[in-house]
Amino acid sequence: DTAVSQTPKYLVTQMGNDKSIKCEQNLGHDTMYWYKQDSKKFLKIMFSYNNKELIINETVPNRFSPKSPDKAHLNLHINSLELGDSAVYFCASSLGQGASKQYFGPGTRLTVT
Amino acid sequence: AQKVTQAQTEISVVEKEDVTLDCVYETRDTTYYLFWYKQPPSGELVFLIRRNSFDEQNEISGRYSWNFQKSTSSFNFTITASQVVDSAVYFCALSFYNTDKLIFGTGTRLQVFP
Repeated sequence: DTAVSQTPKYLVTQMGNDKSIKCEQNLGHDTMYWYKQDSKKFLKIMFSYNNKELIINETVPNRFSPKSPDKAHLNLHINSLELGDSAVYFCASSLGQGASKQYFGPGTRLTVT
Repeated sequence: AQKVTQAQTEISVVEKEDVTLDCVYETRDTTYYLFWYKQPPSGELVFLIRRNSFDEQNEISGRYSWNFQKSTSSFNFTITASQVVDSAVYFCALSFYNTDKLIFGTGTRLQVFP
């Protein structure tokens, strides 16, 4: 029944490790996003994909690599994790582009020690 | 510059009080969209409203109402007769017809005490 799901919900790892966060939506949407929310609750877009094509890439370090195997999935892989990567990562999806209503997943809290 | 400012970092009220959350935006575009999202303590982001720049009618949905004023570049959100369940962080956001990007404000934390 879940519209936008993310796994895992919590991720604790050490500096230098590589980790992935998975996102799936069952809403039939064609656009998916990754947002980062820092410790001060500031939300910023990282990437968006439309029909598996990268649309937005917001000056994110290239240690972050999104992958969209199909319209319903958008995964985020992070290499060589740093302390500053600790944050909550939200996946979202929408139907169509251009200021569409975005549905957010529950978030993944990443803690890098 | 495209920017959203939520000057109120934190607001505390007692249940049944009315409360208004301010949102001021900056853009030179004539076509844009404004949003409000709620983030309760559980952490998920819940969509509340989307309004386009050509529709300045105020909107009411139950205890929630929104006041959009282009003259002051504001899109304020009022909760009438607040309840403890309204406690959350509320985000105002700005977007445009030719992009998917949501530009968020810094959020206002609302605490409603019984």
